[in-house]
Amino acid sequence: QAVVTQEPSLTVSPGGTVTLTCGSSTGTVTSGHYPYWCQQKPGQAPRTLIHDTNRKQSWTPARFSGSLLGGKAALTLSGAQPEDEADYYCLLSYSGTFVFGGGTKLTVL
Amino acid sequence: EAQLVESGGGLVQPGGSLRLSCAASGLTFSDYWIHWVRQVPGKGLAWVSVINPDGSATNYADSVKGRFTISRDNAKNTLYLQMNSLRADDTALYYCAGGYRWGQGTLVTVSS
Repeated sequence: QAVVTQEPSLTVSPGGTVTLTCGSSTGTVTSGHYPYWCQQKPGQAPRTLIHDTNRKQSWTPARFSGSLLGGKAALTLSGAQPEDEADYYCLLSYSGTFVFGGGTKLTVL
Repeated sequence: EAQLVESGGGLVQPGGSLRLSCAASGLTFSDYWIHWVRQVPGKGLAWVSVINPDGSATNYADSVKGRFTISRDNAKNTLYLQMNSLRADDTALYYCAGGYRWGQGTLVTVSS
């Protein structure tokens, strides 16, 4: 089974920009892995932010964007807000099975 | 508003069985692939299983293959997860996710 890797923790200043990445033990992450990102705040269920690399939900704040960057999937937050402090998980598809990354704890400080 | 609501969790002994349900409303349930995802409290998300819109294709994580069965009833807008031969390491909060929405989860505790 593939292993999906994320930064365990990142810190961003309010109003700043940060990029979270999602790598695969099998090699380059492509659009064919259908990269998916969700956000989870303490005590809450996850919430979808991005699917299919860069497609947003109607509720996804405009400051979040998804892309492929340097062989990985990436989630960029531009103009961080205090309410963006949360855990972020990526999910990759491998021919019908799926694997989550370990999550990135984002601190806005 | 679209909503997914899980039920069926509880305390079960090792080796026992449990069936989880996920009731959908406010979305065209039969359009979507639906997943089960679990989370040990304080830990990360772990993908468990997926089923395609008409129920003809399923897939499972290695950790549950052969023990868990996912199914759906599109007429009832409901997803199921039959869990057999439960082990202590199956203890987790179980979420259903589909149509880019998540339920609130149902807690499964496997303990004697």
